[in-house]
Amino acid sequence: DIQLTQSPSFLSASVGDRVTITCRASQGISSYLAWYQQKPGKAPKLLIYAASTLQSGVPSRFSGSGSGTEFTLTISSLQPEDFATYYCQQLNSYPRSFGQGTKLEIK
Amino acid sequence: EVQLVESGGGLVQPGGSLRLSCAASGFTFSSYEMNWVRQAPGKGLEWVSYISSSGSTIYYADSVKGRFTISRDNAKNSLYLQMNSLRAEDTAVYYCARHACAGRICAFDIWGQGTMVTVSS
Repeated sequence: DIQLTQSPSFLSASVGDRVTITCRASQGISSYLAWYQQKPGKAPKLLIYAASTLQSGVPSRFSGSGSGTEFTLTISSLQPEDFATYYCQQLNSYPRSFGQGTKLEIK
Repeated sequence: EVQLVESGGGLVQPGGSLRLSCAASGFTFSSYEMNWVRQAPGKGLEWVSYISSSGSTIYYADSVKGRFTISRDNAKNSLYLQMNSLRAEDTAVYYCARHACAGRICAFDIWGQGTMVTVSS
């Protein structure tokens, strides 16, 4: 099974900051990685798929990069609505594992 | 509007059973693979099970294999999860999620609002 490790697990930042979240896979997964945003009490929302493709309707301040075993999610200028928990997920093989999550909090 | 709506959650005793349903609307359900994902209180996301569009291919997480059964009825635009021999550690919000693929490029692009399952005596 493929394990995904996100870092950091917690991130404190201010509106306007640029932040980067890293997701490392225990083995190569090519570009078969997605990123999701989840707000409290809500279902996850797809942000990015295929490591770097922005889902329709997602603001362009979100971007993704990477391939193989290391991936990043970057938010170029944090907005108040971006404070949430972010998860990576590999779609290379089953089980479709998720990272443990990164909680982004307001500083 | 593309929508998934789960139902069937509730309180059940350890060892009991529960059947979750997910009603799909706004898209051609029979063309899409589907998944169940769960989230224990205060914890992260855990993939539970997958079913192909025809129902011919199914996968389970090791944590539920042999106890849970995923199925679908394309005529009713519905996805199901039969959960037997429930344990306290199965307590979670259960989400159904649409598995959208273009070739090997896939993602869970539509999620339901979730249904809570609590296993407790």
